[in-house]
Order: sequence, then structure tokens, then C-alpha cells
Amino acid sequence: NAGVTQTPKFQVLKTGQSMTLQCAQDMNHEYMSWYRQDPGMGLRLIHYSVGAGITDQGEVPNGYNVSRSTTEDFPLRLLSAAPSQTSVYFCASSPRGYYEQYFGPGTRLTVT
Amino acid sequence: DQQVKQNSPSLSVQEGRISILNCDYTNSMFDYFLWYKKYPAEGPTFLISISSIKDKNEDGRFTVFLNKSAKHLSLHIVPSQPGDSAVYFCAASGVNTGTASKLTFGTGTRLQVTL
Repeated sequence: NAGVTQTPKFQVLKTGQSMTLQCAQDMNHEYMSWYRQDPGMGLRLIHYSVGAGITDQGEVPNGYNVSRSTTEDFPLRLLSAAPSQTSVYFCASSPRGYYEQYFGPGTRLTVT
Repeated sequence: DQQVKQNSPSLSVQEGRISILNCDYTNSMFDYFLWYKKYPAEGPTFLISISSIKDKNEDGRFTVFLNKSAKHLSLHIVPSQPGDSAVYFCAASGVNTGTASKLTFGTGTRLQVTL
């Protein structure tokens, strides 16, 4: 199993550009989540999904969209990038009913 | 409003000694607590967890203690090894916070184990 994979590893955007961060898992996990990590802030939940077709907002959802059309994929879309979205983004997955989440390697995003 | 707090940003411990990392929480609805370890340029990896029905959970060199009345948990690493040098995140969740997939993280403690 590859586990949780994220692409790209690094990305630089200009303010106002849009892009999609990809996340995939091959463990047939129902739950998937997106977090961002900022210095001094820990990891904060952006959006999460409890199954295909079901998504909900986390702590910091503004400026981000998600969809979950398959069990395997959970892309995160930035609609109009802002410098405040400069961060490291982590995708995670877990089986139904389990609190322990498996994290991907992260995407480091810089918005100039 | 930080619901999970790790008040020590960093900790330095000698190899072979005990490392104690602390975490406090404010939300009484949390009933499951986890510790994650993170190396630079990698994602966090799950280390150990504890349910609120227990006050201690042990896994090899790692032990987590939970004091519900004080809303405090700690991670003990004995003996500490150089490979333990990483950032440690405390996280909390609970059925009553909506779903098990919602973890609330602390800000992390950077542990350095010196020779």
C-alpha cells in the first residue's frame, strides 16, 4: 500500500490564482481530512469527509472547497489564493470509527 | 480559543533520561486523546492514544497518562533516544465533537535528545 499520497510536494502561486491540491489513499478508508500547519498554530482542520459524497467544514474552511466523488480521492481547491494561505497542507485518512488518522507527506504552498 | 494547549514549545533531554511532554485541554467533551510525532518535511505519524475511561496507556518506551479532573495529559518516553528528536503534537477528539475524524491539535513541543 502507498498509504496517503499528496501532490504536488511544493507549489508557488501568485495572489488570485486557483489550484487543486491532490490527495489519494489506497487503504479504503471512509474518513478523509485536510489540515493546515502554520508556525505556532499546530494543525488546524480545514474540511473533512465521512464518505464519498459527504463533506463538512472544519475550523478554518474559508477560501477552500472540497468534494469527495470516490472513496480514494479528496482534492482541496483554492479558489483565489491569498498570502494568508501560505502554509503546509496535510491530508489524512482513517477507517470508520477510528480516531487514529494516517497522514500524507504534505504540500508546502507559498502564495506571493 | 486554543482548546488543546502545549505550553512548552521545546524540550531538551539527555539520551537515556526520561522525556515528559505535557498537554492541557479545555473542552470537557473530548474523550479520546492522541500523540503524534512529526519529523521535518514529513507528515505526522500516530504514536499512542488513550481513551477517557483509562488513566494510563503504555506501549514500549512510551506511556501516556490522563488526569481527567485536571484536564491534563502527559507523554513519558523512557529511555529517550536520539531518534526521538522530533515535534510532538497532542490531539483530542470525541464522539460528542461531531465525528471521530475531527481532531483538535495542540501547537506542538519540539523534543531534542542530546548525546
